[in-house]
Amino acid sequence: KAGVTQTPRYLIKTRGQQVTLSCSPISGHRSVSWYQQTPGQGLQFLFEYFSETQRNKGNFPGRFSGRQFSNSRSEMNVSTLELGDSALYLCASSLGTGAYEKLFFGSGTQLSVL
Amino acid sequence: AQSVSQHNHHVILSEAASLELGCNYSYGGTVNLFWYVQYPGQHLQLLLKYFSGDPLVKGIKGFEAEFIKSKFSFNLRKPSVQWSDTAEYFCAVTPDNYGQNFVFGPGTRLSVLP
Repeated sequence: KAGVTQTPRYLIKTRGQQVTLSCSPISGHRSVSWYQQTPGQGLQFLFEYFSETQRNKGNFPGRFSGRQFSNSRSEMNVSTLELGDSALYLCASSLGTGAYEKLFFGSGTQLSVL
Repeated sequence: AQSVSQHNHHVILSEAASLELGCNYSYGGTVNLFWYVQYPGQHLQLLLKYFSGDPLVKGIKGFEAEFIKSKFSFNLRKPSVQWSDTAEYFCAVTPDNYGQNFVFGPGTRLSVLP
């Protein structure tokens, strides 16, 4: 069974640009959540999607947005990039929603903003 | 806001030594508690979890953790570490039934010397 797939693996952008990251969950998983990982702040929750609906949202500005498609694939978008957005963005999938579900993480997309 | 602290940034042990990694959280209500591990070059993966019941939970690879409600702690233990336990360990908490917006601790890097 294929794991959680995130593309691209690495991305370099400049300030002010926008970026879209993609996450394909494990087959059959309907929930996708996104996390930002930085050396200073650690892992921070961005948002969770289940059946194309945003279930929860973390404390990030509106520049960070996401969506989920009917095949459970998810994208997150960051507009007007800032230097501080440089981070590893991790996606995790699970069968259902809720804390009782086991999360399966992808390898992440490393975003560098210059 | 909830927060999770981990006592040590970096722990260095020799093989066969005993391990205890501290984790404390701040949240007044019922929580679900987790330990995740990231081995070098691999994805984050679940080590163990506590939802309710016996406060001593056992996970994979001989790890266990004890939930002490009065101390808001969920410390991870292993009686005898191996070189293959070298990894980064993250404690995480989510309020009960609050979805998947985990709050992660900053992580503890464990280096086991052969």
